[in-house]
Amino acid sequence: DGGITQSPKYLFRKEGQNVTLSCEQNLNHDAMYWYRQDPGQGLRLIYYSQIVNDFQKGDIAEGYSVSREKKESFPLTVTSAQKNPTAFYLCATSGLYSNTGELFFGEGSRLTVL
Amino acid sequence: GDSVTQMEGPVTLSEEAFLTINCTYTATGYPSLFWYVQYPGEGLQLLLKATKADDKGSNKGFEATYRKETTSFHLEKGSVQVSDSAVYFCALSDPPSLARQLTFGSGTQLTVLP
Repeated sequence: DGGITQSPKYLFRKEGQNVTLSCEQNLNHDAMYWYRQDPGQGLRLIYYSQIVNDFQKGDIAEGYSVSREKKESFPLTVTSAQKNPTAFYLCATSGLYSNTGELFFGEGSRLTVL
Repeated sequence: GDSVTQMEGPVTLSEEAFLTINCTYTATGYPSLFWYVQYPGEGLQLLLKATKADDKGSNKGFEATYRKETTSFHLEKGSVQVSDSAVYFCALSDPPSLARQLTFGSGTQLTVLP
């Protein structure tokens, strides 16, 4: 089936630890995104990538890092520098020159810092 | 800059009631407009979209009309079901050719009671 796979679905981390969230897609989409969702705040863009080996900071990139070594994969690392990492993280994709701007989302990863 | 303002929730309705969730926007260009839905514990799914003024997007009994004169894109459904309980996000893409430029509202929680 075509789609976006995020893993793990739930993750617990101790303070001071880095953690990496996986996002894999088989939609052959060029662009990939990471969003953070907090209750009552909607979605905020962390990083995005429009092409392999290139990525750009979004609105809240501090404390996060990404890589884009393959078109299908866009992992997000939540570093110990992120002051409030407990949140729901969503990966999304789109065609680079989609004439409607539609995004396709994975099912999300919920990170809890203990 | 671009912004999306949604009616605050939570909204609680009885089954078969009429639903309206208000959404207004500001944009510098001529955006595409979207409603996304998020069921509990899942990612977002596109519900409907409209790409030009007076277009009506519709899906699963939901409708929204792109009103340029009032910069609005209100979501309506004539008769809600318990299964419609979810969070609804209004969003815009400006300019519509660049998927990066997707701005979300803060979301409206809908609960439908049997």
